[in-house]
Amino acid sequence: GAVVSQHPSWVICKSGTSVKIECRSLDFQATTMFWYRQFPKQSLMLMATSNEGSKATYEQGVEKDKFLINHASLTLSTLTVTSAHPEDSSFYICSAAKGGFGETQYFGPGTRLLVL
Amino acid sequence: GENVEQHPSTLSVQEGDSAVIKCTYSDSASNYFPWYKQELGKRPQLIIDIRSNVGEKKDQRIAVTLNKTAKHFSLHITETQPEDSAVYFCAVPPQGAQKLVFGQGTRLTINP
Repeated sequence: GAVVSQHPSWVICKSGTSVKIECRSLDFQATTMFWYRQFPKQSLMLMATSNEGSKATYEQGVEKDKFLINHASLTLSTLTVTSAHPEDSSFYICSAAKGGFGETQYFGPGTRLLVL
Repeated sequence: GENVEQHPSTLSVQEGDSAVIKCTYSDSASNYFPWYKQELGKRPQLIIDIRSNVGEKKDQRIAVTLNKTAKHFSLHITETQPEDSAVYFCAVPPQGAQKLVFGQGTRLTINP
């Protein structure tokens, strides 16, 4: 199979703090990882595409200085929400792909973030 | 950019009946078309996908049909069961891109 893990599964933090979310591909090497945000009863909105060893590509409207992405290895990508505010509360999901264009994306279980 | 429209937004069918969800896209160069199922609070899971060199693909009760000329593809679920209740998303990669653009989702409810 293709298993993707995410940690933590949920986090509650105070406004102004930073939160780091890890995404790991457990049984394959992921050349590309993706970070999505999903609000209740809505679709998945891509935030950024992350390739190992290079800078992430952010979607229009996503603040790269607020959502820091690091893809240090072929099995690990991290998303750091800096100075989180209540409006950042959401379900953050990562996915990983083994290859390039048109390859299947395998999703992590998601991280539910609540900012108080 | 790629524009993906999914219909209907909600669908309710009797157990045992069939369900069909349609997805239209704008980029004629797109050539990979997956469908994901997401249960409440869970991760999206790939249930079936199709590539543009075929027009139909079937896996037990689930099938996907593709019409490249009209730029739409559909998910077909036959003999629906209560465990099919979930939100279903289609997705399309813009030409030349690794990312996926998701449809708005269809909430499918199977009534016993």
